[in-house]
Amino acid sequence: LAKTTQPISMDSYEGQEVNITCSHNNIATNDYITWYQQFPSQGPRFIIQGYKTKVTNEVASLFIPADRKSSTLSLPRVSLSDTAVYYCLVVGFSGGGADGLTFGKGTHLIIQP
Amino acid sequence: SQTIHQWPATLVQPVGSPLSLECTVEGTSNPNLYWYRQAAGRGLQLLFYSVGIGQISSEVPQNLSASRPQDRQFILSSKKLLLSDSGFYLCAWSASPSANQPQHFGDGTRLSIL
Repeated sequence: LAKTTQPISMDSYEGQEVNITCSHNNIATNDYITWYQQFPSQGPRFIIQGYKTKVTNEVASLFIPADRKSSTLSLPRVSLSDTAVYYCLVVGFSGGGADGLTFGKGTHLIIQP
Repeated sequence: SQTIHQWPATLVQPVGSPLSLECTVEGTSNPNLYWYRQAAGRGLQLLFYSVGIGQISSEVPQNLSASRPQDRQFILSSKKLLLSDSGFYLCAWSASPSANQPQHFGDGTRLSIL
């Protein structure tokens, strides 16, 4: 299983760019890196997923270096509503298994005015 | 579009009572289905997942069981609840068993054991 490590919490201010880094030193060849956002008393919501290099969508960007041992979720110009817990998952399915689907504690991002 | 439904939203049960939580998915066929539990202040722990009808994999030994009687129905059960079963239970689905398909979560069930 590819274990992930991310900061427990981060603080930032409205309008700033926030970067959350996740370490996954033993990522396997068939693993994808996926980020989710969770608000209190709600299920996690998919944000972005990548395999290598850079992925961008309307919400965020995901940067993955060549060795894939870490990844950085970038949230441009955050607002108060971006206050949430962000989870990094490294997931690989092999033979119908579900490696890496335990979310961990995530990063609690707090945005201040 | 695909939707996922979980019920009930909240549940208070006495210790030793049975449990049945239901999850259904609409708008897709042959989804992968998952049950997670989130204890207070902790991350989500995968409890069970299923790649097809009648196919259940358990990730951790526990007082709970899961069943998939229909393609888009996933049920979490217990014969006798323990205090440690309290938590936030989430059902999720994904489109296929490949790693590049994200999971989509329901709104969860808040279970309190008294």
